[in-house]
Amino acid sequence: KAGVTQTPRYLIKTRGQQVTLSCSPISGHRSVSWYQQTPGQGLQFLFEYFSETQRNKGNFPGRFSGRQFSNSRSEMNVSTLELGDSALYLCASTRGQGEQYFGPGTRLTVT
Amino acid sequence: GENVEQHPSTLSVQEGDSAVIKCTYSDSASNYFPWYKQELGKRPQLIIDIRSNVGEKKDQRIAVTLNKTAKHFSLHITETQPEDSAVYFCAASRDSGNTPLVFGKGTRLSVIA
Repeated sequence: KAGVTQTPRYLIKTRGQQVTLSCSPISGHRSVSWYQQTPGQGLQFLFEYFSETQRNKGNFPGRFSGRQFSNSRSEMNVSTLELGDSALYLCASTRGQGEQYFGPGTRLTVT
Repeated sequence: GENVEQHPSTLSVQEGDSAVIKCTYSDSASNYFPWYKQELGKRPQLIIDIRSNVGEKKDQRIAVTLNKTAKHFSLHITETQPEDSAVYFCAASRDSGNTPLVFGKGTRLSVIA
């Protein structure tokens, strides 16, 4: 099976812009979770989607949003970008029983 | 909500020695505990996991132990090799699939040849 894929892999944006990141889960996985990874902060949970519904949400401002499509692909959007949003954004897909498999991530740089 | 503490934040060992990383969790209802390895510039990879109905699980040179009473679990790597150098993350969740994984902040392991 193909692994989790994310596009784009690298992105440079300017403060105030918005960005959309995409994640395609492993075939058959219906849950997609998003994480922000920054040095020293580890993996911080953004949100999780299951069957097109947001099932869990982390402690991030409303500028961070997401959605999931009927084919389980997911997107996350960050509006009004700030310098502090520079990070590696990882998505992970889950089969039953909690095992998560990560994509390669999208490295976002905000200048 | 769940809180996961991970120690140490950095660990250096000589090649061939053992390495131990410890995590504590706060939610007594958590029952799924995975460990991830992240090499520089790569994605986190699931290396081993344990569920609360067992106390220990081994996979070649890697083992994980769980103490539910004390709410802590540990990763043990024996006969370390340079390719074991990476950042290791522990995590915890309720295994219902309805709660997110909560990660520790990671341990940077360096294996010195």
